[in-house]
Amino acid sequence: KQEVTQIPAALSVPEGENLVLNCSFTDSAIYNLQWFRQDPGKGLTSLLLIQSSQREQTSGRLNASLDKSSGRSTLYIAASQPGDSATYLCAVGTSGSRLTFGEGTQLTVNP
Amino acid sequence: DAGVIQSPRHEVTEMGQEVTLRCKPISGHDYLFWYRQTMMRGLELLIYFNNNVPIDDSGMPEDRFSAKMPNASFSTLKIQPSEPRDSAVYFCASTSGWSYNEQFFGPGTRLTVL
Repeated sequence: KQEVTQIPAALSVPEGENLVLNCSFTDSAIYNLQWFRQDPGKGLTSLLLIQSSQREQTSGRLNASLDKSSGRSTLYIAASQPGDSATYLCAVGTSGSRLTFGEGTQLTVNP
Repeated sequence: DAGVIQSPRHEVTEMGQEVTLRCKPISGHDYLFWYRQTMMRGLELLIYFNNNVPIDDSGMPEDRFSAKMPNASFSTLKIQPSEPRDSAVYFCASTSGWSYNEQFFGPGTRLTVL
């Protein structure tokens, strides 16, 4: 059974800092890995999707990497802003379009 | 496109009552997923459909839960009878194609069972 772990569970940083969120998974037989953002009381917004054959994806200040063999992914946020404050969820796609989610990292960026 | 649409956004009901949650996927998407989010268990996949056919319902917690997709633009998740432990946020998501594509989530329905 696929298990997804995110570290740290919570992170508080000053504005402008670069930061890294970590995601690990137990079964390397994945199709893709997706990073989401969730604001309090809201739905999930897809940030980046990395296919299993890819090593990384970039969108603006966000960069996600994938190391399938070691079961790890990182989400790098450059020059963090207060508007980046949210919960970030990592989800691993396996057969049948199933997504298995981690518990999330709650990020607070202080002005 | 309006994105994935869910209704109602909030539902408060009493134990024992029937609850029906509704979802309209993004037009053209052939996969639809129902998830449940709680503090204790995080986000869990309940069931998913492909071309209106249920493919995997192994995440449905009990027989009290049922889901249907009568056509490509509408799905329901029904709980009958509801219990306080069913209180959670229920999300619907959709995608097109096979496992390589990203899933798009609706805003969720916050269910409270008293």
